[in-house]
Amino acid sequence: EIVLTQSPGTLSLSPGERATLSCRASQSVSSSYLAWYQQKPGQAPRLLIYGASNRAAGIPDRFSGSGSGTDFTLTISRLEPEDFAVYYCQQYGSSPLYTFGQGTKLEIK
Amino acid sequence: EVQLLESGGGLVQPGGSLRLSCAASGFTFNNYAMSWVRQAPGKGLEWVSAITPSGYSTYYADSVKGRFTISRDNSKNTLSLQMNSLRAEDTAVYYCAKKVGVIPGFDYWGQGILVTVSS
Repeated sequence: EIVLTQSPGTLSLSPGERATLSCRASQSVSSSYLAWYQQKPGQAPRLLIYGASNRAAGIPDRFSGSGSGTDFTLTISRLEPEDFAVYYCQQYGSSPLYTFGQGTKLEIK
Repeated sequence: EVQLLESGGGLVQPGGSLRLSCAASGFTFNNYAMSWVRQAPGKGLEWVSAITPSGYSTYYADSVKGRFTISRDNSKNTLSLQMNSLRAEDTAVYYCAKKVGVIPGFDYWGQGILVTVSS
């Protein structure tokens, strides 16, 4: 089973700053199989990035994804007030079919 | 507009059963794999189960294997999750989610339904 470890657990930044979130896999993951989600309190998750670097429909271009192998990154170039939320990475594998990281909480400093 | 609407949640005693449903609209339901994902109170996301577009193949997390059964009725655009032998640790908000397509990832989610397992 592939384990995804996200860091940091909490990231405190101010609007306008750049956010860099990390997702490390215990084994190599195909880039095609890595996704990122944003979740706000009381809401369902929203797909941001699929295939490690492809923005989902309607996602602003300040969100970008990169990485390969075991190290993946979600970058938010300039934080907007609505970007403060919890972010999860997800991988698609064999057993279990999908796993999520434990999440990174992005909070306003 | 794609919509996924879960129903069937509630309070159930340990060892009991519950059946969740997800009514889908706004897309060609029988073209897409679907999943259930849950989130315990204050915790992260956990994938629970998935089913292929035809319903031929199903997949489960180890934590629910043998207790939960996923199914779909493509004639009614409905996804279901039969949950038996429920435990306190199954308490969570359950989301149904639509797979993007051939690419792994869930592009649409329901609003979630709360299942509470408690005596």
